[in-house]
Formats: sequence, C-alpha cells, structure tokens
Amino acid sequence: GIQVEQSPPDLILQEGANSTLRCNFSDSVNNLQWFHQNPWGQLINLFYIPSGTKQNGRLSATTVATERYSLLYISSSQTTDSGVYFCAAPLGGSQGNLIFGKGTKLSVKP
Amino acid sequence: DAGVIQSPRHEVTEMGQEVTLRCKPISGHDYLFWYRQTMMRGLELLIYFNNNVPIDDSGMPEDRFSAKMPNASFSTLKIQPSEPRDSAVYFCASSRGRSGTGELFFGEGSRLTVL
Repeated sequence: GIQVEQSPPDLILQEGANSTLRCNFSDSVNNLQWFHQNPWGQLINLFYIPSGTKQNGRLSATTVATERYSLLYISSSQTTDSGVYFCAAPLGGSQGNLIFGKGTKLSVKP
Repeated sequence: DAGVIQSPRHEVTEMGQEVTLRCKPISGHDYLFWYRQTMMRGLELLIYFNNNVPIDDSGMPEDRFSAKMPNASFSTLKIQPSEPRDSAVYFCASSRGRSGTGELFFGEGSRLTVL
C-alpha cells in the first residue's frame, strides 16, 4: 500500500512567522487531503487537493502529483494555528480508505 | 448540516464491560469510516461502509470489535469485552462519492478509557 510521510515532525514558530509543511507519498494518487487537529482533538478538513494549488485565507496548499508531494503553507501564523497537521492519501491510489501520515506538530508561540 | 455526530464524547468503563459508540454521518454521504487514534499508532482505520455495507474491516483489531450500519443515518462500534489497551479516541467520519476518497469529515470523537 501507499506510504505517506510528513516533515518536519515538530515545528515551533513565533506568531507572525510563515511555515511550509511537506507530505510525500509513495505512489500516484488522485486525491490528497490536509487536516488540522486542534489542541482539543477536533479534526478539521483543510484542503481536498489532488493537484494544483488552493488557497483559504492564510493557508494554501499545492500538490505536485507527478512528483508525489504536497505542501501546506501557513502565512502570518497565529496561536490558533497550533495543533497537528495531517495529510492523507488513498490506500489504493484512487479508491479505498485514506492513509494518514504521522503528522506535523505545530506550536505557535505568542 | 450539523456535521458528523458522535456519542458519547467520553466513556470511562471497567475492563470486561461492553462499550457501544454511536455515529450519525452527514446526510447524503454514502461512505462511513471508523478510525481509532492512539499516541503509539496514530490514526488507523478500523472499518468502513459504503451504502450501509461493510467494505473493509481488516483494521478491526480482533473479534471483540464489531460494527454495524443498520441505515444510512446511524452506525455503531461495539467492543465486548473491553480491555485497557482499547483506551483511545474513536472517530467516525463520512464522505461522499469518489470511491470512498471524497472529502472526509470527522466527528468530534469518543474518548474511551478502560480501567
């Protein structure tokens, strides 16, 4: 099955800084999703991004499917951005359940 | 829509007791997933349904675990008998179409502690 690897595992930022989180996947996929798990444990869907670039406020994501990676950009970080960011890709490339990476734990300091 | 609704939010029980977790998916979603999250193993899929039919239950740890989806708006995950190693946060999630890989929406989770 597909392997999903995220980097860095941990990231500490000062409020206002920018950051880039990376997700590498081992096989071709037609679907890549990013999630944020806040400190209270809620898992929120951020992006459904099989290819190209999407933006939502201070967050944006880019997936380069041919090179098997996706990037999540956080600009002007805020303390509320803290939590764990997961990427997930389909086990079978185009169908079946999603396989989650181990996540990047982000801490934004005031 | 109200989103994916799970109950209970917290459950503390003693080893050997039966535990039932409940989930109401988003209306119109045809896929329902049960995940378990622990520090050691991260997020792992237990089972998923398509149109109320179980498709893949290979992630269910053992026979003590069972899941049902009697209709499109309700699913249960049952553990009987429960053991301390079952302590975890159990998430239900739902999605629509795309062979099960559509945009995934999670419930708030059920935190289970087995003493």
